[in-house]
Amino acid sequence: QVSLVESGGGVVQPGRSLRLSCAASGFISTDYAMHWVRQSPARGLEWLAFASSDGSLKYHADSVKGRFTVSRDTAKNILYLDMTGLTREDTAVYFCARQFTASAAYFDYWGQGTQVTVSS
Amino acid sequence: TQMTQSPSTLSASVGDRVTITCRASQNIRTSVAWYQQKSGKAPRPLIYKTSNLESGVPSRFSGSGFGIDFTLTISGLQPDDSATYFCQQYKNYWTFGRGTRVEIK
Repeated sequence: QVSLVESGGGVVQPGRSLRLSCAASGFISTDYAMHWVRQSPARGLEWLAFASSDGSLKYHADSVKGRFTVSRDTAKNILYLDMTGLTREDTAVYFCARQFTASAAYFDYWGQGTQVTVSS
Repeated sequence: TQMTQSPSTLSASVGDRVTITCRASQNIRTSVAWYQQKSGKAPRPLIYKTSNLESGVPSRFSGSGFGIDFTLTISGLQPDDSATYFCQQYKNYWTFGRGTRVEIK
């Protein structure tokens, strides 16, 4: 069955960096585009980044552009989110999600989420 | 594209018909999905492309709309439906509504 497992969250000081990982299994990951989404009480559900099935095409939300970078290792079936210059506003639960298809680009599977807390 | 969802909270009785709406800030045709989220869990997809039911989702859930106005309806509310519901547009990148918390009286 499809499984997405995020890791790498934790408590980090403002200004520091963090890398999140999302390990995919149960499907051919190179057939699917992938996303990062975060959720906080203040900002709700917020889409952050898209990576195409082969990782060649990437989009980032304006709110994180220049600070966050999505990438994927297709050989290892892992999606990454590199986050730099973290601020308290980045405190949230971070989810990875699989995109259904290009024509129906909703998220059909989600990971369980990893908590990121930015605090001194 | 902004998604304005209402109401933010609703309380209804078992068996009631419940309606949640989302209004898009621009025409997104039918590129809307609806998700259910329970406390501490990831969102679960219910409906995609406005009205298509995700596999395994009970038929009491339905969706409708086109362009800018969209609706999620629960026909015959059940105790297990107590959750927060989100709309999402995927026509212009991806954005979510702020959610509707559904409580059972």
